[in-house]
Amino acid sequence: DAGVIQSPRHEVTEMGQEVTLRCKPISGHDYLFWYRQTMMRGLELLIYFNNNVPIDDSGMPEDRFSAKMPNASFSTLKIQPSEPRDSAVYFCASSPLVGTEYGYTFGSGTRLTVV
Amino acid sequence: TQLLEQSPQFLSIQEGENLTVYCNSSSVFSSLQWYRQEPGEGPVLLVTVVTGGEVKKLKRLTFQFGDARKDSSLHITAAQPGDTGLYLCAGSSGTYKYIFGTGTRLKVLA
Repeated sequence: DAGVIQSPRHEVTEMGQEVTLRCKPISGHDYLFWYRQTMMRGLELLIYFNNNVPIDDSGMPEDRFSAKMPNASFSTLKIQPSEPRDSAVYFCASSPLVGTEYGYTFGSGTRLTVV
Repeated sequence: TQLLEQSPQFLSIQEGENLTVYCNSSSVFSSLQWYRQEPGEGPVLLVTVVTGGEVKKLKRLTFQFGDARKDSSLHITAAQPGDTGLYLCAGSSGTYKYIFGTGTRLKVLA
């Protein structure tokens, strides 16, 4: 299994531009999570999906952020318009089940820099 | 809001030394996990504990869940340079999401 695949690995964009981050979860995993990691705030949960349906988006910072999961093998996190404070590493993770012995499998992340 | 505080925040030790890192909260968790993250990669799951007082061992790593399920510790025996990384605890209160701790950045010097 190739694991959770995220693209791009690095993204540099100018303030005000739209940014789209992509994630392919592990096949058969019903849960997908988007996290953001910064030195100041650590790992923050943004949103998670179960069977392609958004369950909890209370961590999404504001309306500039949106996430979709059109099918079981693909999800996107979009920021429009982007701002310098959005600079962070964004992780996607998937899990077959949560709350038990099953942990998350994380992707390698997308390092976003907004200048 | 659930908060998971980890201590120490940074730790630099010599190869062969023992160490313990802590994960504390005022909230009760139904399960708690420990992850290790290396630079440029995502966190990797080490262990999950679900029962108060539970102890799990993974080679030289010993994990303990507090009796009240509000805290946890990770003890490493005879640390090696390969143990270097960011150690994260994550707790779930029974919902389908885990809240991550502030992290302990460990460096083991050869």
